[in-house]
Amino acid sequence: KQEVTQIPAALSVPEGENLVLNCSFTDSAIYNLQWFRQDPGKGLTSLLLIQSSQREQTSGRLNASLDKSSGRSTLYIAASQPGDSATYLCAVWGSGGSYIPTFGRGTSLIVHP
Amino acid sequence: KAGVTQTPRYLIKTRGQQVTLSCSPISGHRSVSWYQQTPGQGLQFLFEYFSETQRNKGNFPGRFSGRQFSNSRSEMNVSTLELGDSALYLCASRKDRGGDRTDTQYFGPGTRLTVL
Repeated sequence: KQEVTQIPAALSVPEGENLVLNCSFTDSAIYNLQWFRQDPGKGLTSLLLIQSSQREQTSGRLNASLDKSSGRSTLYIAASQPGDSATYLCAVWGSGGSYIPTFGRGTSLIVHP
Repeated sequence: KAGVTQTPRYLIKTRGQQVTLSCSPISGHRSVSWYQQTPGQGLQFLFEYFSETQRNKGNFPGRFSGRQFSNSRSEMNVSTLELGDSALYLCASRKDRGGDRTDTQYFGPGTRLTVL
């Protein structure tokens, strides 16, 4: 059974810092990995999707890497801003031949001015 | 382009009742997935529908069911509600053209269900 762990569970930083959020998964047989952000009481917003054949994806101040062999992904946020405050979720699709997603519990990020 | 819409946004029911939630995917998207999010269990996959057929199913009891219509709109039903069914229910859609399962999933705002 696939398990996804996100570290740290919570993070509070001053504005302007560069951040690294970690995601690890137990079964490397994945189709893809996706990072989302969720604002309180809201749905999820897709940030980056990395297919199993890719090593990284970038969008603006965000960069996500994937190392399938070690079962790890990192989300790098450059020059953090208060608007980045949210919960960041990592999800992997596919394990054991199926296409069922497994989500981590998320990292709750607060960026204070 | 309109996003994924879910109705209703909030719902209060009592134990033993049943409930139906609705989801309209982004135009042109053929795959619809449902999720349950609770503080205790996090975000868990319920099921996925594609071309009116359930394609994948998570580990939930048979009280949870769904269906998809020919226009890709989907409904989820929970029968004999229990207190533990209180959660945010999220719907998500993907294009999934030609069976491509590697495209981005887009989420709706969710339906907040409270069971009393």
